[in-house]
Amino acid sequence: GDSVTQMEGPVTLSEEAFLTINCTYTATGYPSLFWYVQYPGEGLQLLLKATKADDKGSNKGFEATYRKETTSFHLEKGSVQVSDSAVYFCALSDLNTNAGKSTFGDGTTLTVKP
Amino acid sequence: SAVISQKPSRDICQRGTSLTIQCQVDSQVTMMFWYRQQPGQSLTLIATANQGSEATYESGFVIDKFPISRPNLTFSTLTVSNMSPEDSSIYLCSGVGRGGEKLFFGSGTQLSVL
Repeated sequence: GDSVTQMEGPVTLSEEAFLTINCTYTATGYPSLFWYVQYPGEGLQLLLKATKADDKGSNKGFEATYRKETTSFHLEKGSVQVSDSAVYFCALSDLNTNAGKSTFGDGTTLTVKP
Repeated sequence: SAVISQKPSRDICQRGTSLTIQCQVDSQVTMMFWYRQQPGQSLTLIATANQGSEATYESGFVIDKFPISRPNLTFSTLTVSNMSPEDSSIYLCSGVGRGGEKLFFGSGTQLSVL
């Protein structure tokens, strides 16, 4: 079945540091890939997505590129802020093979210190 | 984009009782799902809520424990029955909007069972 593997956390960075959170996947079809963010005490919200190979998703300074050859979708941000402290989930979804159900990674907790 | 209102946001329940969680979507979604997020873990799909018919449950989840209703395209409920402390978790509903595979999430229900 489909699976998503995320870099283990927690990750602690200083403000303005560079962020990378690794994500790799296995899937039988051609999934879309997502990063969701969960701020303390809140539900998940979509951060960015990419629907096909070589697509780059971006939002709020975060970027991730869909790499089919390495089955990866690593999340990056050039300069993190304290407000980026949250749990980040990598996920995949394939409407054609699993009716839109999503498979999530285990989540990576990011703490940014001033 | 769709907005999903979920309630209650949190509850503390006694062992052996049941709790019903409601989700209302502000627009029609093609599919709705219920997820569980146990402390410090990722999201696990409980079931797909099908409009007007029985929900489709994932392995390890059964209708007697987690009955689900979806009487129309914009509303669904999940009941956690005969609760035990092991049911303490965050429960999230989600929907797939028309025309895409993006998941919209409710804000979650934090359930604690004593």
